Parts: sequence; structure tokens; C-alpha cells
Amino acid sequence: GDSVTQMEGPVTLSEEAFLTINCTYTATGYPSLFWYVQYPGEGLQLLLKATKADDKGSNKGFEATYRKETTSFHLEKGSVQVSDSAVYFCALSREGKLIFGQGTELSVKP
Amino acid sequence: GAVVSQHPSWVICKSGTSVKIECRSLDFQATTMFWYRQFPKQSLMLMATSNEGSKATYEQGVEKDKFLINHASLTLSTLTVTSAHPEDSSFYICSALDRDLFTDTQYFGPGTRLTVL
Repeated sequence: GDSVTQMEGPVTLSEEAFLTINCTYTATGYPSLFWYVQYPGEGLQLLLKATKADDKGSNKGFEATYRKETTSFHLEKGSVQVSDSAVYFCALSREGKLIFGQGTELSVKP
Repeated sequence: GAVVSQHPSWVICKSGTSVKIECRSLDFQATTMFWYRQFPKQSLMLMATSNEGSKATYEQGVEKDKFLINHASLTLSTLTVTSAHPEDSSFYICSALDRDLFTDTQYFGPGTRLTVL
């Protein structure tokens, strides 16, 4: 069946460091891919999405490219801020339902 | 952007009572909404799919008589936890499905923290 695997956290970075959170998926066909962010005590916010191979989603300095050949959708940001501290979820969509990775906690220190 | 609200944001109740949580899509119509449960430091667990005008579809292991779902309009779904017990204490999150030409996107509410004493 379909599945999503994320790199384990927590990830701890200093402010202005480069961020990569790895995400790979297993699925038949070409599902849409998403990154959601969850701040402490809150629901999930859509960060970015990509609907087909080679699409690049971007928002608030974050980027991710849909790589069909490596079945990956890695999240990147060039310079993180303390306010980026949160849990990040990678997900794929199958008939409207989301299949989530386990989440990666990011902690950015000043 | 698409906004989904939940009410209440937190609730404390006594064991044996029922609690209703509302989920509303504020700026789009959603024929499909989802209810999730999240335990600390874990990912979201899908409980059920709520379809406007029809019965909800529950995931395996979720008691449909305990978690009653009603989706009476295109902007409102409710989850009622009946005869709540301490083990039902959790963070409940809803989402609403926004369909466009290219993909279906779920937009999430802010969550409801339920504590059962």
C-alpha cells in the first residue's frame, strides 16, 4: 500500500542554517504531495504542495520538488528562523485521503 | 486562502458525559470533511470521513456508536464523543476537502483539546 517516510527528528539547527527534511514515498501512479506544518498546540497548516512530477511547491521560503525518479519530496529552506520551529509532516493524497509521514520536529536556536 | 474553524478549542468534561465538536469551512463548501485524532508526539490518525448528506465512513477500529459524526450542510460537520471516558482524552483535528481542477487539498482546523476527568 501507499506510504510516506520522513527523516527522524528532532532536528536542531541554529538560526540562518540551511534546512533539509527528507521525505520519500511509495505509491502507485502519481499522487499529489504535500507538506504541512504544525506549531505547538495548533492544527496543521498547508505549507506547500505539488501535483505532478517535476513540480516545485514553494511558500514562505520553503521549497520542495516532486521527484518521480527518486520518489522523493524533500523540504528545503535556505535560512531558517526561530519562528520555523514546529513539526513538519509530509503527506500524499490518495482519493482525497491523506497518508502522512511520522512527522519531523524542527527546533531552531537563536 | 481556505479557512477551517473548530469549536471549542478546548473542553474539559466529566466521565460519562457527551461532548460535541464543530468543524466549519468558512470560505468554501466542503462535501467531504475528515476527523483525526492525535496523540502527543505522534502523527494524525484518521478516524472517519464525513460526507455531506450521507453516513460517515469510519476507519477500522473506530467505534461509530461512540464517535457520532453529522455532516448536515456543506460547511459544517460535527463530532460527538458519547459517554466520554479518560481514554478519550486527546487532540481532535478536523479538515475540509477543497476540490479544484488539479488536486484535492485538505485544509485543517486548529484542533480541539478534550480532557475527560
